[in-house]
Amino acid sequence: DADVTQTPRNRITKTGKRIMLECSQTKGHDRMYWYRQDPGLGLRLIYYSFDVKDINKGEISDGYSVSRQAQAKFSLSLESAIPNQTALYFCATSYRAGDSYNEQFFGPGTRLTVL
Amino acid sequence: AQSVAQPEDQVNVAEGNPLTVKCTYSVSGNPYLFWYVQYPNRGLQFLLKYITGDNLVKGSYGFEAEFNKSQTSFHLKKPSALVSDSALYFCAVRDRNSGNTPLVFGKGTRLSVIA
Repeated sequence: DADVTQTPRNRITKTGKRIMLECSQTKGHDRMYWYRQDPGLGLRLIYYSFDVKDINKGEISDGYSVSRQAQAKFSLSLESAIPNQTALYFCATSYRAGDSYNEQFFGPGTRLTVL
Repeated sequence: AQSVAQPEDQVNVAEGNPLTVKCTYSVSGNPYLFWYVQYPNRGLQFLLKYITGDNLVKGSYGFEAEFNKSQTSFHLKKPSALVSDSALYFCAVRDRNSGNTPLVFGKGTRLSVIA
């Protein structure tokens, strides 16, 4: 979805390096998420944020940190990258409408390789 | 706790035949249920959702899914498969009474439609 952009799209780095993945959205959504995808494991939630002042850990937050710089921006950092963090990373957004729960919109993904 | 299972890693179907991709869920209350599709080198795209009401939900690209509360299932179906339907499909669930928790995704089912 072009309304959710991720940079970079591909990154190769070395063990121990600090890496930041960035996500921007023009959908005006208040909720943003970071997932990683590994073959056979599906999508696993790393962190999520329901507004600028709200940050929550997901299923696999160890080794990661996030920053919600503005409603439209949500960045994911790997303070000291390790090879088992090699994966496809997705940012997603959603919005709340009353008591319902709306679908998430995904960015194109960032393929990260840690050597 | 909420969880979702996709019991088949791979589904193969001939073009023109009906297809079914299975999903079962576990929540303590009533569910919100979603299907997403991921084409190669792309992010996830929303297909359809069940929130309430009619158990048969129609979505994009001719797909539909039937909510079955007694069997805790939400199988994805299409009457006539196309080669272009070949992709990775994810089911996701959220307990209606779980506050602000995000969606939980299954591990995905790879659909191959053979010409």
